[in-house]
Amino acid sequence: GDSVTQMEGPVTLSEEAFLTINCTYTATGYPSLFWYVQYPGEGLQLLLKATKADDKGSNKGFEATYRKETTSFHLEKGSVQVSDSAVYFCALQSGNQFYFGTGTSLTVIP
Amino acid sequence: KAGVTQTPRYLIKTRGQQVTLSCSPISGHRSVSWYQQTPGQGLQFLFEYFSETQRNKGNFPGRFSGRQFSNSRSEMNVSTLELGDSALYLCASSEKQGARNSPLHFGNGTRLTVT
Repeated sequence: GDSVTQMEGPVTLSEEAFLTINCTYTATGYPSLFWYVQYPGEGLQLLLKATKADDKGSNKGFEATYRKETTSFHLEKGSVQVSDSAVYFCALQSGNQFYFGTGTSLTVIP
Repeated sequence: KAGVTQTPRYLIKTRGQQVTLSCSPISGHRSVSWYQQTPGQGLQFLFEYFSETQRNKGNFPGRFSGRQFSNSRSEMNVSTLELGDSALYLCASSEKQGARNSPLHFGNGTRLTVT
C-alpha cells in the first residue's frame, strides 16, 4: 500500500546551519506530496506542497522537490533559525487518502 | 478566513465515560477528517466525512464514531473511554475530497486525558 518514510529524529542543529530532512514514498499512482510543521501545543500547518513530478514547493525559506525517479521529497532549508524548532511531517495524498510520516523533531540551538 | 476551530482545547475524563469533540471547518470546506495523535503511534486516521456522509474509516473500534452536519461542522464521539484513548485529536478540513490541489488544513486539536 501507499506509505511515507521519513528520517528518524531528533535532529539538533546550530542556528544558520543547513537542514535536510529525508522523505521517501511508496505509491501506486501519482500522488501529491506535502510537508507539514507542528509547533508545540498546536496542530499541523501546511508548509509546502507539490502536485506533480519535478514540481518544487517552497515557503518561508524551505524547499522540497518532487522526485519521481527516486520517489523522494526531501525538505531543505539553507539557514535554520531557532524559530524553526518544531516537528516536521512528510505526507502524500493518493486519491481520497492521506498518508503521514512519523514526524522528525528539529531543535535549533542559538 | 478563519481557520479550523476545535473545541474544547482540553478535556479530562475518567474511564468508562463518553466524550464529544467538535470541529468547525474553514468556510467553504466540505470535507472533514479526524486524526488521533499519540507519541507512540504518531498520526492515525480515524474517519473522513464529506457532504454529511462518512467516506473513509480508519482502523479504530466502534467506540469511535462521528458525524457531519449540513453546515459541514463535525463532531466525533468516543464512548466507554479507556486510558489508551488519551491523545491529541486533530480535525482537518479540505475544500474538495480527493482533489490534487486540496490539502488538509488542521485545527489546533483537543487534548483528551483519560484518568
